Amino acid sequence: AQKVTQAQTEISVVEKEDVTLDCVYETRDTTYYLFWYKQPPSGELVFLIRRNSFDEQNEISGRYSWNFQKSTSSFNFTITASQVVDSAVYFCALISGANSKLTFGKGITLSVRP
Amino acid sequence: SQTIHQWPATLVQPVGSPLSLECTVEGTSNPNLYWYRQAAGRGLQLLFYSVGIGQISSEVPQNLSASRPQDRQFILSSKKLLLSDSGFYLCAWGTSASTDTQYFGPGTRLTVL
Repeated sequence: AQKVTQAQTEISVVEKEDVTLDCVYETRDTTYYLFWYKQPPSGELVFLIRRNSFDEQNEISGRYSWNFQKSTSSFNFTITASQVVDSAVYFCALISGANSKLTFGKGITLSVRP
Repeated sequence: SQTIHQWPATLVQPVGSPLSLECTVEGTSNPNLYWYRQAAGRGLQLLFYSVGIGQISSEVPQNLSASRPQDRQFILSSKKLLLSDSGFYLCAWGTSASTDTQYFGPGTRLTVL
């Protein structure tokens, strides 16, 4: 069975602060894929990143960075110098094995105050 | 580039009425298609997925059904809506590689009264 845990439910920061969103996953498969999605108030899920289990290299994209650590089964997401437009619900998700079923965490509501 | 459309954007329906939500994808062929529901409390639940025309897999027994009459069209239906069917319905597409990224549509917000 596969599971994604996002223990933080709501985070509030002031603009320009750095913020890290935690994600812990569980799977028995050696091949799996991890994702982060952003859901702004409009509701659409916006794809942010996909990583496979064989690539532990951290990734940076502008103000976003991701830290993948297999030793702790974590795939954390950091926003540097947060902005009001970053306010959204962020979901971590997992596809495990050969199936195409995304397992989502419950999401983290991030509020960035001006 | 690929685009995914959903309509209607919002819908208010009485209990017992029928439902039809439509999802279409442009710019790709033979996509995998998915229906998710997001109830209050944010959890996303996979309802149906399809790997081809007429091929539907149901994940959760429920009051809903899905059909795929054309390669890039996915329809979610119900004959009689229940109050518990209220929620935010999201359609997604992915390539035929089952572990590829899923891209989501804008969603339909359904309220059953």
